[in-house]
Amino acid sequence: AQTVTQSQPEMSVQEAETVTLSCTYDTSESDYYLFWYKQPPSRQMILVIRQEAYKQQNATENRFSVNFQKAAKSFSLKISDSQLGDAAMYFCAYPSGTYKYIFGTGTRLKVLA
Amino acid sequence: EAGVAQSPRYKIIEKRQSVAFWCNPISGHATLYWYQQILGQGPKLLIQFQNNGVVDDSQLPKDRFSAERLKGVDSTLKIQPAKLEDSAVYLCASSPGSEQYFGPGTRLTVT
Repeated sequence: AQTVTQSQPEMSVQEAETVTLSCTYDTSESDYYLFWYKQPPSRQMILVIRQEAYKQQNATENRFSVNFQKAAKSFSLKISDSQLGDAAMYFCAYPSGTYKYIFGTGTRLKVLA
Repeated sequence: EAGVAQSPRYKIIEKRQSVAFWCNPISGHATLYWYQQILGQGPKLLIQFQNNGVVDDSQLPKDRFSAERLKGVDSTLKIQPAKLEDSAVYLCASSPGSEQYFGPGTRLTVT
């Protein structure tokens, strides 16, 4: 069965520092996408970054980057120069064959001023 | 480009009452999803539409939940009768392919 695991229920980071959120998944497929979504207190899910499994290069979007290790089925999110507005729940998501998303349980990120 | 619209944003009802949520996806997005997100958990897919056909409703409690997507655009999700455990945020998302774009959600409280 396809699963997504986020082992860190909560993380804290000092403003302007770097933090890494972990995600592992299980799939037998060879070509797929992976996503990180941010959910602030307003509850709206916002797409942060996506990775295509066939691409060896790690995706980057401004201060957000991923460390994608296909063989290890690991997909971590690195946030550089953390800002107060980064405080939110972060969900890792894997879309199955019909693009049905399987979400992890989420990591709550706190940013300390 | 307008995002996914949902209404109402908040709803409080008593158990055994009925409630309906509405979703208007991003124009041109063929796929529409309804998720239930209980506090402290990740979203759980309730139903997935492709145009006006159902792709996956395996986790929809069909004895009380129903959803439709007439004309392949707007969608409504109904709960009848509601139970206390239905208290959650109901998220609608639409997609042109692999990426999903979410609406602001409807927070339902059942008392």
